[in-house]
Amino acid sequence: ETGVTQSPTHLIKTRGQQVTLRCSSQSGHNTVSWYQQALGQGPQFIFQYYREEENGRGNFPPRFSGLQFPNYSSELNVNALELDDSALYLCASRPTGFTEAFFGQGTRLTVV
Amino acid sequence: QQQVKQSPQSLIVQKGGISIINCAYENTAFDYFPWYQQFPGKGPALLIAIRPDVSEKKEGRFTISFNKSAKQFSLHIMDSQPGDSATYFCAASRSSNTGKLIFGQGTTLQVKP
Repeated sequence: ETGVTQSPTHLIKTRGQQVTLRCSSQSGHNTVSWYQQALGQGPQFIFQYYREEENGRGNFPPRFSGLQFPNYSSELNVNALELDDSALYLCASRPTGFTEAFFGQGTRLTVV
Repeated sequence: QQQVKQSPQSLIVQKGGISIINCAYENTAFDYFPWYQQFPGKGPALLIAIRPDVSEKKEGRFTISFNKSAKQFSLHIMDSQPGDSATYFCAASRSSNTGKLIFGQGTTLQVKP
């Protein structure tokens, strides 16, 4: 158990819709990162939040956005869903001063 | 310059054998190199990690070898077991920001009994 919980585990959405994915981390995990993992590929970095502010972003369009809350939970929002957004979405959290990032089990998003 | 290239894509090893997975990176600013293990339906779990100040790190049956001049690193799994069957990912980042990991494409390992 990593102490990082994601919800829901599976989700089916229609192209053009919006989706919100959630991640709950352990107390003290001030840094949270989100990754997209397409089938058969390695995870790709979407963005990172530290103390509720975005402090790093990968090569993803602005329709991918996020929030981090004071209770160590976070959200990934994706607007105007496209078929290519179908993937496993992972969050990873890290306590301040620690190197290791702990991953959740992921949310499998299917866009039809 | 951000890529991490991983090989082979898949690997079949007999029980008790040695599994070897290789990775190469381009960005010389990277100084943190972890390996992750992922089972179907699960998130990646950290196996072992290395920094460039050492050439080898061993934890149990898992060893990372690191060649800074060649910008390559590899994972060796000794005495491979069927329970090791999973997908393995190498990754790289700056140690100042290990939340931003650049992952390789993954290697699917099958250990035959």
